[in-house]
This record gives sequence, structure tokens and C-alpha cells, in this order.
Amino acid sequence: ELKVEQNPLFLSMQEGKNYTIYCNYSTTSDRLYWYRQDPGKSLESLFVLLSNGAVKQEGRLMASLDTKARLSTLHITAAVHDLSATYFCAVGTAPYSGGGADGLTFGKGTHLIIQP
Amino acid sequence: GAGVSQSPSNKVTEKGKDVELRCDPISGHTALYWYRQSLGQGLEFLIYFQGNSAPDKSGLPSDRFSAERTGGSVSTLTIQRTQQEDSAVYLCASSPIAGGNTGELFFGEGSRLTVL
Repeated sequence: ELKVEQNPLFLSMQEGKNYTIYCNYSTTSDRLYWYRQDPGKSLESLFVLLSNGAVKQEGRLMASLDTKARLSTLHITAAVHDLSATYFCAVGTAPYSGGGADGLTFGKGTHLIIQP
Repeated sequence: GAGVSQSPSNKVTEKGKDVELRCDPISGHTALYWYRQSLGQGLEFLIYFQGNSAPDKSGLPSDRFSAERTGGSVSTLTIQRTQQEDSAVYLCASSPIAGGNTGELFFGEGSRLTVL
């Protein structure tokens, strides 16, 4: 059974600081997704990482994937209050072939609060 | 274009009643997923539909839960004889199945179910 673990589950930080959220998973996969969820809202896709060594950046957020270590990181640079949200990583359980039951397994989420 | 649409957005019911939750996926998306999100938890996979194939029901927690998808589009998740532990946000997601697709899921706003 695929297990996805995020660390930390709760993070309070000050504006302007840098921090990294970690996502470990237990079985082979080369598909990793990061989502953002605001309170009472649905999940918004942030990054799709589809190969070992993939790195993607959007604004103050950067995500990377190391399939050998079964680890993805979400790095926050010079945090601002608007980034306060819950961040989920999700792992695809098979190489994506465009067919078959291929749902994602989600971590428990990292609740991020950025203090002004 | 329209995103994934879910209704009702909120449902309060009494223990023992049946409830139906509806999902209208993004037009053209052939894959449809139901997830459940309990308070402070990650997402729990429930069921997956892909085109006309038999659904993957491996995530349904009990036989009180069922889902159907009519005409390859709209889906209904039915919970019979609701219990208090069924209280959660039920999220629907869809995904296009086509060459070059990344396997990314697009989520609706969710249906918040409260069982009294």
C-alpha cells in the first residue's frame, strides 16, 4: 500500500523567511503533484512533477522531485501572508498510461500560517 | 470554461437518512473520481470512473456507499443509512484521458455533509 507522508503537518512562520515542506512516499512512482487548499475551498493544482530531477517554480514556490529518494520538496522563498494555506502532495501509483484506475494518494497536508 | 461542479455545497441530514451528492465534471474529461476529506485529514480515495469501463470501487468504505455515472458525464454518490462518521467533505475530481495528459486532477468545491 502506498503511503505518502508530509512533514511538517503544521508550520507557522514569519513573512520574509524561507522554508521547505517535505513529501516522502513509500513505493516507486514518477508522478508527484502539489495542491493548495484555502479554508472552505477546493484544491488548486500548483505543480505537476513527472520525472526524476524535475524542478518547477511559480513565484515564491519551487517544487522538486527525487524519485530515487522517493522525496519531493516544496520550497517557499521570502514568504508572504497570501501563501497561508494547506498544501498537499499527491503521488500517482503507476506510470501514467492514460487508462485504468489511476487515482492519486494524498498526504495529510501541511497547514501553513504566515504571520505578517 | 466551467470547472467541476458539485451539489449540494452543504448538506445536513439526520442519522439513518440517505443522501445523494452530485458531480458534473469538466466537459470532455473522461475520468471522474470521488474523494472524502475528513476534518484535518488528507484525501481518501473512494471510487473512480473511466469512460464506459467498470468503476474502481476499491475505496468505498462500506456497502452503504455507492456511485453511478450516467452517460459518461454526471456522477451521483449515494450514502444510505448515514452515520455520524460519514460527516466529511466529499470532493469530486475529473481528468482528461488523452495522449500527453499529465494525470493531473481538477477538483470541484466539494459537498460538505454533516450527519446529526
